Order: sequence, then C-alpha cells, then structure tokens
Amino acid sequence: EPEVTQTPSHQVTQMGQEVILRCVPISNHLYFYWYRQILGQKVEFLVSFYNNEISEKSEIFDDQFSVERPDGSNFTLKIRSTKLEDSAMYFCASSDRFRTDTQYFGPGTRLTVL
Amino acid sequence: GIQVEQSPPDLILQEGANSTLRCNFSDSVNNLQWFHQNPWGQLINLFYIPSGTKQNGRLSATTVATERYSLLYISSSQTTDSGVYFCAVVVYNQGGKLIFGQGTELSVKP
Repeated sequence: EPEVTQTPSHQVTQMGQEVILRCVPISNHLYFYWYRQILGQKVEFLVSFYNNEISEKSEIFDDQFSVERPDGSNFTLKIRSTKLEDSAMYFCASSDRFRTDTQYFGPGTRLTVL
Repeated sequence: GIQVEQSPPDLILQEGANSTLRCNFSDSVNNLQWFHQNPWGQLINLFYIPSGTKQNGRLSATTVATERYSLLYISSSQTTDSGVYFCAVVVYNQGGKLIFGQGTELSVKP
C-alpha cells in the first residue's frame, strides 16, 4: 500500500540553525500538507500546498517557515532560524482530492531544538 | 472558528472490554477522520467518515452529520489499542486543512 515517507525521523539542532524536513507524498496525490504537534498537545495545521504554491497557511506559519516541491516527488519544510518553541513532531500529509478525501499522514519527524 | 471536542479525555479499560469515544463538532464538515496515535507518535488512519457508518475489524465508526457528532467504537479491546485517538474535521467549504480535537487517551490493561 502506498505511504507517505518522511526523513529524518529525528533531528536535533541548535537554536538559530536552519533545518529542512523532507517528505515524499503518495505518488499520484496532488495536495500536500504540513502539521505539527508539540509534545502532549493536539495536532495543528501549518500549511497546504497545491499546484506548486501555498493554498492556505496558519498563523504559526510565519516568515521563518517555507515550503517547496523541488522535484516531482519531494515536499520540504524549511525553518530558517529555529527557536526552542519549534521543538515538536512535524507531520507531512497528502491527499488525492481537495477537502473530500482522506489525508494520509507520514510517520513524522521529531525536531528537538536545543 | 469550529470547535472539535472529544470525550472522554482519558479512558482506562481491561482487555476485552468495549468502549465508545465521542467527537462533537460545531459546524458542518466536508471531511471527518479518526486517527490512532501509537506510542511511537505515528498517526494511523482509522476511518474517513464524513457521514454514515463504517466497520474495520473490531473498530467501527458512525458520523451523524446533521447532529454534528461522530462515534468510534472499539470492541474486545487489546493492549495494542492503547494510545491517543484523535478526531479531525475539514470545515465545510473553508479550505482543506484538518482541525484536530484534543484526543482521547486510551489505556488498555492486561
């Protein structure tokens, strides 16, 4: 069964450093998402991406964040200058249709900012 | 914005018991999904169920869209069912993002 993959599974970085989290969505899907979950809290939406542009973003997704689909398979989330409060689990998801379809989640990248 | 409320927040069961988890939402939705977050943090899709009833093994779910709630039934629970169960919705005609509830933490004891 096709699945969303994410790398790395765990990343440790120093405050102020740039990190890039990588995702490979399901191959025929058109809609891509990033969510995050701070430890012990609920999952929060960050950004959605369709047709090579951001279609929706949350208040969390400020100028420190960016997303890119550099080729036909990868989808990346970049955090330019990490803060302690960016420590969280980051999930990538993809879906075939807009709104009325299952969003399939990857296994997550646990980001720890020291 | 939409409110997604799950109950109960915590549940402790003996292995073999049945349980019902509830998700109330305050607005019409295009999409409703149930997830199981396992102890490793992975979000496992259980159901895509904006309306109606579905069953998958010992799990079943029912969404009554007109009354804005969904129920997840777990029968003959096993220790591997432990974890956090999340309900998430896409608000009707308001983008495609999933909005998650706070979750129900289930612990199944042997």
